Amino acid sequence: GENVEQHPSTLSVQEGDSAVIKCTYSDSASNYFPWYKQELGKRPQLIIDIRSNVGEKKDQRIAVTLNKTAKHFSLHITETQPEDSAVYFCAATPDSNYQLIWGAGTKLIIKP
Amino acid sequence: GAVVSQHPSWVICKSGTSVKIECRSLDFQATTMFWYRQFPKQSLMLMATSNEGSKATYEQGVEKDKFLINHASLTLSTLTVTSAHPEDSSFYICSAATGGLAVSTDTQYFGPGTRLTVL
Repeated sequence: GENVEQHPSTLSVQEGDSAVIKCTYSDSASNYFPWYKQELGKRPQLIIDIRSNVGEKKDQRIAVTLNKTAKHFSLHITETQPEDSAVYFCAATPDSNYQLIWGAGTKLIIKP
Repeated sequence: GAVVSQHPSWVICKSGTSVKIECRSLDFQATTMFWYRQFPKQSLMLMATSNEGSKATYEQGVEKDKFLINHASLTLSTLTVTSAHPEDSSFYICSAATGGLAVSTDTQYFGPGTRLTVL
């Protein structure tokens, strides 16, 4: 079955700098890759997603890139702000039942 | 749009009792709902996938007789933790997907979660 690996587990960056979180997946049939942000004790919130027919997608300070050949996708956050501090999860959908296979999460810390 | 509510937000119960958690999609019809549990500082662990009008599909290692799931309508799914024990204490989160074949409708929207503490 599908397996999603996420790195790093913790990322600390200076406010204003960029942050990059990377995920790899194993099932070449996966076609949907969302990124979720989860603040402590709260629900995961979808921040951006990408489908396998697109290589890159951007929404203001957030972007996601997908390399289908290498089976990896990355989240890029530019001009980081304190409110970006949270745990970020990547996921992949390998089948039509919309089940998500989750990465282990990355704790992003923005240093003032 | 795409709001999912969950009730209760937290519950404390005695060991051996049962607890029911409700998950509702407020402004859309959810063909599929998912139930997760999450331990502190860990990723979400899928427990089961629930399709409206049919039996839930449980992940390996999840006891279906202990975690009863009912998805009686397109806007409501319930998870009942039967004979709860302290090790069942966790953060339970549901999510809902609209389903269908359209590319834009398979996003999962999450409820706010239910913190269960079993004494």
